[in-house]
Amino acid sequence: AQRVTQPEKLLSVFKGAPVELKCNYSYSGSPELFWYVQYSRQRLQLLLRHISRESIKGFTADLNKGETSFHLKKPFAQEEDSAMYYCALSGMGSGGYQKVTFGTGTKLQVIP
Amino acid sequence: SAVISQKPSRDICQRGTSLTIQCQVDSQVTMMFWYRQQPGQSLTLIATANQGSEATYESGFVIDKFPISRPNLTFSTLTVSNMSPEDSSIYLCSVHPRGLNTEAFFGQGTRLTVV
Repeated sequence: AQRVTQPEKLLSVFKGAPVELKCNYSYSGSPELFWYVQYSRQRLQLLLRHISRESIKGFTADLNKGETSFHLKKPFAQEEDSAMYYCALSGMGSGGYQKVTFGTGTKLQVIP
Repeated sequence: SAVISQKPSRDICQRGTSLTIQCQVDSQVTMMFWYRQQPGQSLTLIATANQGSEATYESGFVIDKFPISRPNLTFSTLTVSNMSPEDSSIYLCSVHPRGLNTEAFFGQGTRLTVV
């Protein structure tokens, strides 16, 4: 079974401080991993995906297969980064078809 | 990309009644996905709705409780039947226009409160 774990429900950092949102996964094959973000009063939207290896809004995430992790990082937090962040994995489910599994989410609070 | 219109955005319902949530996509998609997001918890997949066939339900979800319609490639409904307070949750529809390994697009969600 595929599983995504985000150990922190809430992460509070000061503006300008580094941010790391943790995500660990469990999956037997090669996963497709994503970070989604939900800003206040907005719908859930894609932030970045591991295969594109890009930086979006200053955020990066590296897939570490050895540690089965896909942590989201940003060197300097901004107030507008305050939001709910979800890690997600797309892979073959136990029913034999592709499905997306989401973590429980981490609320990032950037303190001015 | 895909733009999804989901309604209602919220509702307060009496226990024992049913609510039908609608999801309209601005482009044709093969599969539409229905999720539940209970307070403080993750998005949990309820079922996958395919046009022209019965929906595929995840473990713990059954058709009698969550009947789904998918009459065409741009529209789907999820009904929450015989509601109880435990059904209070946010319900979301989602699509992957370019395949499941690519970006998902979401409706704005339906916040359901059962009293």
